[in-house]
Amino acid sequence: DAMVIQNPRYQVTQFGKPVTLSCSQTLNHNVMYWYQQKSSQAPKLLFHYYDKDFNNEADTPDNFQSRRPNTSFCFLDIRSPGLGDAAMYLCATSRVSFEYQETQYFGPGTRLLVL
Amino acid sequence: QKEVEQNSGPLSVPEGAIASLNCTYSDRGSQSFFWYRQYSGKSPELIMFIYSNGDKEDGRFTAQLNKASQYVSLLIRDSQPSDSATYLCAVKKGSTLGRLYFGRGTQLTVWP
Repeated sequence: DAMVIQNPRYQVTQFGKPVTLSCSQTLNHNVMYWYQQKSSQAPKLLFHYYDKDFNNEADTPDNFQSRRPNTSFCFLDIRSPGLGDAAMYLCATSRVSFEYQETQYFGPGTRLLVL
Repeated sequence: QKEVEQNSGPLSVPEGAIASLNCTYSDRGSQSFFWYRQYSGKSPELIMFIYSNGDKEDGRFTAQLNKASQYVSLLIRDSQPSDSATYLCAVKKGSTLGRLYFGRGTQLTVWP
């Protein structure tokens, strides 16, 4: 089945220790997104790739970086995690053109715990 | 003013009742509207989308859109305890490409 896969599902890291979260998709969607979601809050868009074009949200901290080496994969790098970065990280994909906006499909998420 | 606003609830309804979830948005040029359901600790899953004014029905779910009032709602008929979740409203603004704006969600509890 076509889907969005995130690894790992749970990640525990130490304060300041870099961590990488991964996302892959078999939907052949051209747009991939990374969201941060904390308890009882809306998903907060960190950045998205429209094909290879990287779009950073203005309020995304410099501590967060992303890579999209090919259509199927996207990575979220947190260079120096702080306690405030503990959250659920959601990857989503969508097929988008100037003519239409299709639904975003979410992966299962990675829950990050920072000790 | 927030892009998308929802009453955070919690909304509590008895089993079998109709649950009504509401969402307002600020950009009059918004084009596409989505409802996602999110169970605790899980990722959002799509319930419905609507593009045109009026009602759109899918099983027990009905989405209603009124662009003049900048209002979109989700009705859940014959509510079940398994419907207990947070419901997120998401909107595509007219000027954006590929980006959705999410509300904070409304927490729904259906009690037996």
